Amino acid sequence: QVTLQEPGPVLVKPTETLTLTCTVSGFSLSKTRLGVSWIRQPPGKALEWLAHISSNDERSYSTSLKRRLTISKDTSKSQVVLTMTNMDPVDTATYYCARIRVVQGVIGWADYWGQGTLVTVSS
Amino acid sequence: QSVLTQPPSASGTPGQRVSISCSGSRFNIGGNAVDWYQQVPGAAPKLLIYNNNQRPSGVPDRFFGSRSGTSASLAISGLQSEDEADYYCAAWDDSLNGWVFGGGTKLTVL
Repeated sequence: QVTLQEPGPVLVKPTETLTLTCTVSGFSLSKTRLGVSWIRQPPGKALEWLAHISSNDERSYSTSLKRRLTISKDTSKSQVVLTMTNMDPVDTATYYCARIRVVQGVIGWADYWGQGTLVTVSS
Repeated sequence: QSVLTQPPSASGTPGQRVSISCSGSRFNIGGNAVDWYQQVPGAAPKLLIYNNNQRPSGVPDRFFGSRSGTSASLAISGLQSEDEADYYCAAWDDSLNGWVFGGGTKLTVL
């Protein structure tokens, strides 16, 4: 059974760095043609893709946010970590991690999603 | 502003057929497969269609995806009250080198 688990609700202050850990089970982070992405959704707004890490450690980032994002993984712990620097109230959103099917080297689709974690940025 | 364009809302009565469009460019829909996700309020998105028209196990065949040129479409036949949700299209964008979503369509079952 495939599951992805994000942490509980997070409160960060403006300018702080956010660190989110996604713990996966039911599959290996080293399995070919699989990866993990982070996607966020501000309250009442659309989904926005943030970052992706593949089985061979290739990373890709949203063009608009790449300067602030870092994605990494620890295969032995089945964890994928996203850090986002210089947090701002506009970054308040539910952050999801999702398992990705990779097709011809790019993101194909997300077949499993975590339940999401609400990140609130406020002083 | 989303890279993929969807109508903000759609509606239909039980039993009806509704269609939701997703418009993009040659960099995304025109060259890569489209997925569709269903999101009910308070829940995570759920994969509905992948590879333009494939349904994951468990998704009823009332849901049908298609792609033509730089546009894609999700059709739902035999509309049911449980279909009331937000629907998002997504595709890889070769120009942005990233995964892009539509702005979402809120489907109301009248």
